[in-house]
Amino acid sequence: SQQGEEDPQALSIQEGENATMNCSYKTSINNLQWYRQNSGRGLVHLILIRSNEREKHSGRLRVTLDTSKKSSSLLITASRAADTASYFCASSMDTGRRALTFGSGTRLQVQP
Amino acid sequence: DADVTQTPRNRITKTGKRIMLECSQTKGHDRMYWYRQDPGLGLQLIYYSFDVKDINKGEISDGYSVSRQAQAKFSLSLESAIPNQTALYFCATSQRGGTQYFGPGTRLTVL
Repeated sequence: SQQGEEDPQALSIQEGENATMNCSYKTSINNLQWYRQNSGRGLVHLILIRSNEREKHSGRLRVTLDTSKKSSSLLITASRAADTASYFCASSMDTGRRALTFGSGTRLQVQP
Repeated sequence: DADVTQTPRNRITKTGKRIMLECSQTKGHDRMYWYRQDPGLGLQLIYYSFDVKDINKGEISDGYSVSRQAQAKFSLSLESAIPNQTALYFCATSQRGGTQYFGPGTRLTVL
């Protein structure tokens, strides 16, 4: 079973609004990553946050990590129609000898 | 040129046939992965390899096998394809604990 669960499963907003997606995980992590997938395409890495970091920014993206709650959130500010995609979180466990574990994803639709 | 390539991009086959999906990378990464994605769902890990002699089963390895022919090549085989293996298959590479780089995917249909 997948370690990560994402919420909401689907999100529809208007262009210019902010989009927030949440991710929960079950075990201790080394880092947590967010990926984007356009329909039927490969995933593209967006941002990585390490377990000792609480917040990270990259352009219009803001990621937070709360290790006490085993959760992370991805905020996309001033969304654009081109942001329409599925977004996945992926956790990298402490051991280092495990692969990433992906969440189930949030499908974001940004209406022009 | 793409850093991670997959062949074929699309394949339609019949139940019982043996299928091989191939993945090549030019990123020089030690780690390679095979994932499966069903419509509307996340990725499930099939197999992963930390180097040429280190291959590990993922969440859903039954019915699949892999071969790491070289650092740059990692192939996935379906020994006897069945319809519920119809899915989108992705290969990915990474260095330890870091960003994964994905190929464009192979859409496999088993009739």
